[in-house]
Amino acid sequence: NAGVTQTPKFQVLKTGQSMTLQCAQDMNHEYMSWYRQDPGMGLRLIHYSVGAGITDQGEVPNGYNVSRSTTEDFPLRLLSAAPSQTSVYFCASRPTTGANVLTFGAGSRLTVL
Amino acid sequence: SQQGEEDPQALSIQEGENATMNCSYKTSINNLQWYRQNSGRGLVHLILIRSNEREKHSGRLRVTLDTSKKSSSLLITASRAADTASYFCATVLSGGYQKVTFGIGTKLQVIP
Repeated sequence: NAGVTQTPKFQVLKTGQSMTLQCAQDMNHEYMSWYRQDPGMGLRLIHYSVGAGITDQGEVPNGYNVSRSTTEDFPLRLLSAAPSQTSVYFCASRPTTGANVLTFGAGSRLTVL
Repeated sequence: SQQGEEDPQALSIQEGENATMNCSYKTSINNLQWYRQNSGRGLVHLILIRSNEREKHSGRLRVTLDTSKKSSSLLITASRAADTASYFCATVLSGGYQKVTFGIGTKLQVIP
């Protein structure tokens, strides 16, 4: 049981480049979400999804796109990376019934030069 | 601004002492959760308290919730060096898709 798997773990981009952070979970969780963590800012919600085809914005959605075509996968796309997007990104998932506790991935550290 | 805010932002105590962290939030919640993060790692769930509960215990952890003041506290008793980590409160909002938002966290250092 792998839980939540994020790839890549580390990435360096140049300003203006695009990339996709991958997130996959094998727990059949309906809810999936992306956070960014910056020093002194805690975790801020970027986007989240409650099932295939259903996504919504969080606190800091600008500059990021998401889609949810399957229950298992929830990729986060940066279309034109900016230095302000340098951060550690966490994917997390949870069921929408019962104990709705988040399971986190190990994180992806992104640097935009 | 963020839904939850922890206080203090940093806390340093001696091993064996108790550590108390507070969390305030802004809107109605379904439940409130506390998570722990060791340096450079993902967050791990510690304890959940529902909006109709006032206190909950789990091992050395005690959580209280005051919905009238929109605040919660996490007490770690008899702290150990291994408790050194950052602690975050997370609120699951009422209604809608019940999104989960986090505070800025409390960085706890337990000195052996």
